[in-house]
Amino acid sequence: DAKTTQPPSMDCAEGRAANLPCNHSTISGNEYVYWYRQIHSQGPQYIIHGLKNNETNEMASLIITEDRKSSTLILPHATLRDTAVYYCIVRVSTFFYSGNTPLVFGKGTRLSVIA
Amino acid sequence: GAVVSQHPSWVICKSGTSVKIECRSLDFQATTMFWYRQFPKQSLMLMATSNEGSKATYEQGVEKDKFLINHASLTLSTLTVTSAHPEDSSFYICSARGGEVAEAFFGQGTRLTVV
Repeated sequence: DAKTTQPPSMDCAEGRAANLPCNHSTISGNEYVYWYRQIHSQGPQYIIHGLKNNETNEMASLIITEDRKSSTLILPHATLRDTAVYYCIVRVSTFFYSGNTPLVFGKGTRLSVIA
Repeated sequence: GAVVSQHPSWVICKSGTSVKIECRSLDFQATTMFWYRQFPKQSLMLMATSNEGSKATYEQGVEKDKFLINHASLTLSTLTVTSAHPEDSSFYICSARGGEVAEAFFGQGTRLTVV
């Protein structure tokens, strides 16, 4: 799986948009970008994933650059409950891969939402 | 998303005893389960991958005789930490995928403290 680079930490004011960047310059054509987050002392939570088009769901939006070498996770109106470590992971989607490849976690970005 | 339940959420045990952690997929059949370990302020580290009905595949450096994994059914996998020592104190997290659930979902984690 391609390696990702994320800033170690970020702050965001409550109610503002949180934009979390991720660099994945070695991504392959069949690899998706996944985002998970881990709130303190809990298991990781799936947020969103995408291949090349921008994606949006009830939690966040994912913006992927045209060359797919980087992406940004956007939490449109951050709340205190969004304080967590956010992981950007690049991997082949399980829709296309019948094996048992686990998610490999980097160090992620520690987002602190400040009141 | 799919629900993965992990039990117990925390446990304290004496050094030398064994501890069993359960991971259940509540609304889907988990053909594959992953076990991770997370030390304070570090990222998740994969310990092993298990497929229902077959032996688990352990990551390098993880002792299979110490961390016994059983995946006897499509909804349950167990991790037993045998002869636990204080250095085994950690946050253990399971993840499951299978059937129509293409993405991996995580349990809430188990905090093990060995005294």
